[in-house]
Amino acid sequence: TQLLEQSPQFLSIQEGENLTVYCNSSSVFSSLQWYRQEPGEGPVLLVTVVTGGEVKKLKRLTFQFGDARKDSSLHITAAQPGDTGLYLCAGYSRTGNQFYFGTGTSLTVIP
Amino acid sequence: NAGVMQNPRHLVRRRGQEARLRCSPMKGHSHVYWYRQLPEEGLKFMVYLQKENIIDESGMPKERFSAEFPKEGPSILRIQQVVRGDSAAYFCASSPPGTGTYNEQFFGPGTRLTVL
Repeated sequence: TQLLEQSPQFLSIQEGENLTVYCNSSSVFSSLQWYRQEPGEGPVLLVTVVTGGEVKKLKRLTFQFGDARKDSSLHITAAQPGDTGLYLCAGYSRTGNQFYFGTGTSLTVIP
Repeated sequence: NAGVMQNPRHLVRRRGQEARLRCSPMKGHSHVYWYRQLPEEGLKFMVYLQKENIIDESGMPKERFSAEFPKEGPSILRIQQVVRGDSAAYFCASSPPGTGTYNEQFFGPGTRLTVL
């Protein structure tokens, strides 16, 4: 089983603060996805990172894939209440065409 | 281009009844994955299907649960003789065959099952 651990599990911050969410594994993945899920909805794909060391930016969100393709981080600058949600990372393995989901980080941004 | 569709969005069943959850993948996607989610928790993998084939059902309970993805029509997750512990949100995701370096899953809005 290829496990992905996310940290922290819960995070509550004030609007305007910065934060980083981590996604770690002992397994190597072909690519890694980040999703955000709002209450009552399905996860929405934010980004896919493919190359070791790759950095992608999506407005105030910065995603990085570890050099060894075993871990990833999501950094949010100047968090806003609209960023509130459950953030999920998922590693993709070409072997078996399978996706392995992290344990999730529940983010609350307080106005 | 319609996304992944699931129906019903909400389903209420009494203990002992059957629940049928449907999932239509995105156009061009031939792979379907089912997940279960409890409140405040992450996604738990249940089963991975291609058209007419179950590829991996390692996450699905051996009893009462079954899944299919027929040649025509949506994928169906079927729960027989539901119990209160089956109450959860069930999500379906679809992906292309994944012949390249990477692949991506796209999720439906989920079906929220409540067992009374």
